[in-house]
Amino acid sequence: DAGVIQSPRHEVTEMGQEVTLRCKPISGHNSLFWYRQTMMRGLELLIYFNNNVPIDDSGMPEDRFSAKMPNASFSTLKIQPSEPRDSAVYFCASSQVGGDTQYFGPGTRLTVL
Amino acid sequence: AQKITQTQPGMFVQEKEAVTLDCTYDTSDPSYGLFWYKQPSSGEMIFLIYQGSYDQQNATEGRYSLNFQKARKSANLVISASQLGDSAMYFCAMREGIGGYQKVTFGIGTKLQVIP
Repeated sequence: DAGVIQSPRHEVTEMGQEVTLRCKPISGHNSLFWYRQTMMRGLELLIYFNNNVPIDDSGMPEDRFSAKMPNASFSTLKIQPSEPRDSAVYFCASSQVGGDTQYFGPGTRLTVL
Repeated sequence: AQKITQTQPGMFVQEKEAVTLDCTYDTSDPSYGLFWYKQPSSGEMIFLIYQGSYDQQNATEGRYSLNFQKARKSANLVISASQLGDSAMYFCAMREGIGGYQKVTFGIGTKLQVIP
């Protein structure tokens, strides 16, 4: 079975540009999580969805960040406008609703110049 | 208070020896889960082991075992017979809530280096 798929794997952009990160969860998983990892702050939960509905977005840093899950097999995390401090590795993870284990994608390394 | 505390920024262990990575947690939720993930230098996050708060037995997965001491709120990871490939960052995490609501918090990690 395919694991969690993220694209792109690497993204380099200039400050002010819009960035869209994509995630395809494991088939049959109903919960989807977006995390951000930096050296300074470690791994932070940004938002998570159950059955395509956002449950907790308290980790989203500011209005420049938005996330959608239009269907069970696809989610996006958008940053508009991007800033250098957004540079990080962004992970998507999925699990079954009520399940105990989250499976992570390979991550997207974002660099904002 | 920190939800997850990993007090060892870095650890060294001799190949084939056992090593314990410390993790303490803080929650008032009666139902919670504890996880360990491995992150090698390649960057992926690899699930290792899970312990539920109501589980009576300590979790084991191959060379990994979780030393769960509920009263002390600790969930240490024990790696037996260390291998060079075990060199990585190790993260302890806690899930609070059940069913449709989950809050997951990660510790800052411990960097383990296995010495030949």
